Amino acid sequence: GAVVSQHPSRVICKSGTSVKIECRSLDFQATTMFWYRQFPKQSLMLMATSNEGSKATYEQGVEKDKFLINHASLTLSTLTVTSAHPEDSSFYICSASRRQGGWGYTFGSGTRLTVV
Amino acid sequence: GEDVEQSLFLSVREGDSSVINCTYTDSSSTYLYWYKQEPGAGLQLLTYIFSNMDMKQDQRLTVLLNKKDKHLSLRIADTQTGDSAIYFCAEFSGGYQKVTFGTGTKLQVIP
Repeated sequence: GAVVSQHPSRVICKSGTSVKIECRSLDFQATTMFWYRQFPKQSLMLMATSNEGSKATYEQGVEKDKFLINHASLTLSTLTVTSAHPEDSSFYICSASRRQGGWGYTFGSGTRLTVV
Repeated sequence: GEDVEQSLFLSVREGDSSVINCTYTDSSSTYLYWYKQEPGAGLQLLTYIFSNMDMKQDQRLTVLLNKKDKHLSLRIADTQTGDSAIYFCAEFSGGYQKVTFGTGTKLQVIP
């Protein structure tokens, strides 16, 4: 149980376009979802925390107008990279929690975004 | 703020034990995790430990927690080539309600 599906796994887009990444909890309701970004050879960096039905909480330095997060249901959160630039190329990973309290985080398989 | 640090690289021979270390700073951490990441893949949760525990063993994996020194370690017994990957420790901060990852340790297993 506790599967998180992230889609797409890879995407290449042109500079200036927008890309949407989906994160779905397949067999549980995720009250909280997290979006991370990983630069090559570096650790994950938390971008934002989204709670179902409310606005996402962004980490310092993350542009909320550029990285739009929507958590409209208990099983789906989306990250939209707007007006993408080559420096947005990265590996994006979502994770979902069944409940607050720190136990049972499940990660998606990640999305490799390349902006050309 | 909270920081989680790990050594970057570890090389061991197949069959030996591997010990990956991690230090953290947030004293309000309630859960500590170890994740494995193989190339191009997402994170795989290996094990976790509650902050009120000192040790947890799960087959070949042993987690030791020294809460006084804020030190966490992962021991892999009888390391195999399939264990080659990057290992991340992570803490759940009750105060900040988020998970913070360490920098990751690349484990290389030599046949």
